[in-house]
Amino acid sequence: KAGVTQTPRYLIKTRGQQVTLSCSPISGHRSVSWYQQTPGQGLQFLFEYFSETQRNKGNFPGRFSGRQFSNSRSEMNVSTLELGDSALYLCASSWGRATDTQYFGPGTRLTVL
Amino acid sequence: AQKVTQAQTEISVVEKEDVTLDCVYETRDTTYYLFWYKQPPSGELVFLIRRNSFDEQNEISGRYSWNFQKSTSSFNFTITASQVVDSAVYFCALRPAPRAGGTSYGKLTFGQGTILTVHP
Repeated sequence: KAGVTQTPRYLIKTRGQQVTLSCSPISGHRSVSWYQQTPGQGLQFLFEYFSETQRNKGNFPGRFSGRQFSNSRSEMNVSTLELGDSALYLCASSWGRATDTQYFGPGTRLTVL
Repeated sequence: AQKVTQAQTEISVVEKEDVTLDCVYETRDTTYYLFWYKQPPSGELVFLIRRNSFDEQNEISGRYSWNFQKSTSSFNFTITASQVVDSAVYFCALRPAPRAGGTSYGKLTFGQGTILTVHP
């Protein structure tokens, strides 16, 4: 069974630009969660989607948004990029029950110049 | 609010040594789930184990073992006879059980991670 895939793996952008990251969950999984990992703040929860609906959201500014499609694939968007948005963005999928284990993808490394 | 503390920022051992990674958590929830993940240099978080708060049985899987003690809010991870391939960052994480109208969906609270280096 294929794991969680994320594209692109690496991205370089400049301040003020916007970026879209993509995540394809494990086949059959309907929940996708996004996390930001930085050396200073560690792993922080961004949001979670299930059946195209956002069920939970972390403490991030409105510049961070996401969506989920009917095939459970998810995208996250960051607008007006700031230097501090440089991070590893990790996506995780699960069946969707709150008790389920999340399985992570390889991440997208975003560098903002 | 949930909090996970991994007091050891870095651990360095020589191959074949046993090593224990500490994890202490804080939660007001009576039912919750604890996890350990491994992050090799490639970046992907690899799931290792999940433990439910109502199940205090310790677990062993090959060279890995986990000691869950609810009384001290700890969930420690031991690697026996460490190998170079065990070198990675290890994260302990917590998620509360869902409640009505709950906001626990998807949200794992992670510790800061422990960098384990195993030297040949």
